[in-house]
Amino acid sequence: RKEVEQDPGPFNVPEGATVAFNCTYSNSASQSFFWYRQDCRKEPKLLMSVYSSGNEDGRFTAQLNRASQYISLLIRDSKLSDSATYLCASPFSGGYNKLIFGAGTRLAVHP
Amino acid sequence: EPEVTQTPSHQVTQMGQEVILRCVPISNHLYFYWYRQILGQKVEFLVSFYNNEISEKSEIFDDQFSVERPDGSNFTLKIRSTKLEDSAMYFCASRDSPNEKLFFGSGTQLSVL
Repeated sequence: RKEVEQDPGPFNVPEGATVAFNCTYSNSASQSFFWYRQDCRKEPKLLMSVYSSGNEDGRFTAQLNRASQYISLLIRDSKLSDSATYLCASPFSGGYNKLIFGAGTRLAVHP
Repeated sequence: EPEVTQTPSHQVTQMGQEVILRCVPISNHLYFYWYRQILGQKVEFLVSFYNNEISEKSEIFDDQFSVERPDGSNFTLKIRSTKLEDSAMYFCASRDSPNEKLFFGSGTQLSVL
């Protein structure tokens, strides 16, 4: 099983839609997870941290399911500006918890 | 807001040449990282650095690569003899504790010709 796995997409949705992405992870001991947003040829930027069951920030909600070892990201009322690649990151087992990134899920929001 | 800064933003070099990529992590951070991203591929871990030594490295980080923190602010990645396949975007990142979020610099696009 890959350390962090994501559906690459693309997800093509109209403005205003609700869209959800899943990410599975292999390290069952992980305590913290992160969703990053990456625009083309730019650095990953933190969108949300997920430390326990979930987290909500405006239109964005992240959920953690430890039993099934996945995290999800829900985006409500999609905007054109949400078009980007969404990266899931999980610590790899080890003393310094390097973050391992999934390959990302592409989202394209159209008018 | 404090940020990680990287220089140069673009570096073009000939195969076999040495390059040094520079980073200034956020000042109170203690954990430093280099990642790379080949065009169209995922962000890959290269190396982590803590307490003035490498704490972990990936199989990509072979003898051609080295990292250094020459003073209290800079963190550098050196590639001794570049290969075509080293062409990628290189990101520096830092954080203040091992379980916290990573902050990334804007990257150095390395092109090896």
